[in-house]
Amino acid sequence: DTGVSQNPRHKITKRGQNVTFRCDPISEHNRLYWYRQTLGQGPEFLTYFQNEAQLEKSRLLSDRFSAERPKGSFSTLEIQRTEQGDSAMYLCASSLGVALNTGELFFGEGSRLTVL
Amino acid sequence: AQKITQTQPGMFVQEKEAVTLDCTYDTSDPSYGLFWYKQPSSGEMIFLIYQGSYDQQNATEGRYSLNFQKARKSANLVISASQLGDSAMYFCAMREVVSGGGADGLTFGKGTHLIIQP
Repeated sequence: DTGVSQNPRHKITKRGQNVTFRCDPISEHNRLYWYRQTLGQGPEFLTYFQNEAQLEKSRLLSDRFSAERPKGSFSTLEIQRTEQGDSAMYLCASSLGVALNTGELFFGEGSRLTVL
Repeated sequence: AQKITQTQPGMFVQEKEAVTLDCTYDTSDPSYGLFWYKQPSSGEMIFLIYQGSYDQQNATEGRYSLNFQKARKSANLVISASQLGDSAMYFCAMREVVSGGGADGLTFGKGTHLIIQP
């Protein structure tokens, strides 16, 4: 399977702990996105990378959140000192290029975080 | 103001009937793209169809078509001959070229939960 891969698929943690999610995009895709989705809502943009450069971060991304894509391939999203409000599905997506009419995002199955 | 509005939180439709899922959008950018995604219970977002703001014809992909009414800022998804496997959440999304958040990223609506009944 050469789609977008995310792990772990599920993570349960206690408040105050740190968690890290990993995303492996489709290999030839140069853009990688992180979204957060809470129950009953659509995905909300967090941040995106073009190759290894993090080009934009949403205001939703507090100082406790950090994302990296060190070699322009896989990416990690770390949440420090987790809070119950961080409980959500974290979705990763990748795309190729910037053309408006061809750049649909391909999503992974997400990593569901539950903070107790 | 909401950039993407989906007014139908849930819909029940009989199998084999056509269904229209509503989506209105708000943008001042002349160049933008509109997308529909399907999210089954497994969680993965599946791309269905795309419509560009300059496209003259409505987009079609198999049983999916997009009823694009630019003046009304409306981009409704039409599913013909619905099937049980169509039961899922459906999200409308927009990419704005100039002023959109996340540059190339998408802004999503809250979704419509579609249930196909046998």
